[in-house]
Amino acid sequence: AQSVTQLGSHVSVSEGALVLLRCNYSSSVPPYLFWYVQYPNQGLQLLLKYTTGATLVKGINGFEAEFKKSETSFHLTKPSAHMSDAAEYFCAVSEGGTSYGKLTFGQGTILTVHP
Amino acid sequence: NAGVTQTPKFQVLKTGQSMTLQCAQDMNHEYMSWYRQDPGMGLRLIHYSVGAGITDQGEVPNGYNVSRSTTEDFPLRLLSAAPSQTSVYFCASNRGPYTEAFFGQGTRLTVV
Repeated sequence: AQSVTQLGSHVSVSEGALVLLRCNYSSSVPPYLFWYVQYPNQGLQLLLKYTTGATLVKGINGFEAEFKKSETSFHLTKPSAHMSDAAEYFCAVSEGGTSYGKLTFGQGTILTVHP
Repeated sequence: NAGVTQTPKFQVLKTGQSMTLQCAQDMNHEYMSWYRQDPGMGLRLIHYSVGAGITDQGEVPNGYNVSRSTTEDFPLRLLSAAPSQTSVYFCASNRGPYTEAFFGQGTRLTVV
């Protein structure tokens, strides 16, 4: 069975500082990994995804994540935070064909950006 | 492009009432899912479908019913609403098992 743990339900950074949101997963097969962002009162929007190939994945709005199989991690980073990055972020895992594409989500991390 | 459309956006129900949350997608995706979002718990899968006429249970299916008669529509039925079903409900669709999900804007349901 697949599962996801996001370390830290709230992360606070200053504008211009590094953003690091942590995600660890467990999966019985090679996983497909996703980061989604949710702005207030909106649905979820895909930031980036890892399926196969290059382990460093670049997404929208300057975010990137690195798949580390040995650490079962898929942490999300951004070198310099903007006020507009304030949102809730969700890490998710899919076992692809074996799970019919069903997503298992982490608990979410609320990112606050201070001026 | 409309993408995934959910109606209604807000709903208040009394305990014991039934209702249907509507979900439609115009991307010709085979896979559709319903999730509920509760604070501190992320999103949890209620039911999903891999094509018209095929549905299955997710992690938290009790109290909910689904059917998939067309590729476009995937309604979620609450049979007898309970306060524990107060939540935000999201419908999603995927092109296939290895692709990202596209989400609707959500339905905020309150059961009193």
